[in-house]
Amino acid sequence: SAVISQKPSRDICQRGTSLTIQCQVDSQVTMMFWYRQQPGQSLTLIATANQGSEATYESGFVIDKFPISRPNLTFSTLTVSNMSPEDSSIYLCSAHRNTEAFFGQGTRLTVV
Amino acid sequence: KQEVTQIPAALSVPEGENLVLNCSFTDSAIYNLQWFRQDPGKGLTSLLLIQSSQREQTSGRLNASLDKSSGRSTLYIAASQPGDSATYLCAVRRWAGTASKLTFGTGTRLQVTL
Repeated sequence: SAVISQKPSRDICQRGTSLTIQCQVDSQVTMMFWYRQQPGQSLTLIATANQGSEATYESGFVIDKFPISRPNLTFSTLTVSNMSPEDSSIYLCSAHRNTEAFFGQGTRLTVV
Repeated sequence: KQEVTQIPAALSVPEGENLVLNCSFTDSAIYNLQWFRQDPGKGLTSLLLIQSSQREQTSGRLNASLDKSSGRSTLYIAASQPGDSATYLCAVRRWAGTASKLTFGTGTRLQVTL
């Protein structure tokens, strides 16, 4: 299995501000994935983070709102920019090893 | 487009009961299927991974089956305990590449009562 550490675990933020979520994997992985889980919903993929290139965003998600960094093969960050109450969700990072997916503990974001 | 559905959406059972959670997917061209557990407000914990060539996988009190041709998987939980209370999610992977994305089901919220 893979161990993925994500922080912060939760935060309450003012609208208009930005929050950066960090994700650390215990070993090198090619791809890292960022998901959003809105209240009562399943997971929606935001983007795939590639080391050495720009992230690939899913339909409905844009880089200006969700900038992603991937400086090396074990670390990635997701920023939620110019937050509004609609951004209140759980954000999760994920990595795959041998075609099995592993997840961080999630970041529970509340925007007030 | 792959769609994954889980039935029931919610389930409440008394402690000790055996139970079955269902997962169905519309496109049978999958590489593998994974079952996860999610506690409220937390991340996902991988429970079982079934490759498309396999029929079932077991881990402790959990048994997952896969019928790829009919687009179905079940998660069987034996002798349920209050600590099993969580949301259970299934997810399918279309192909083997490292960039392969998962398509998640809608989840089943399980409550095991004393």
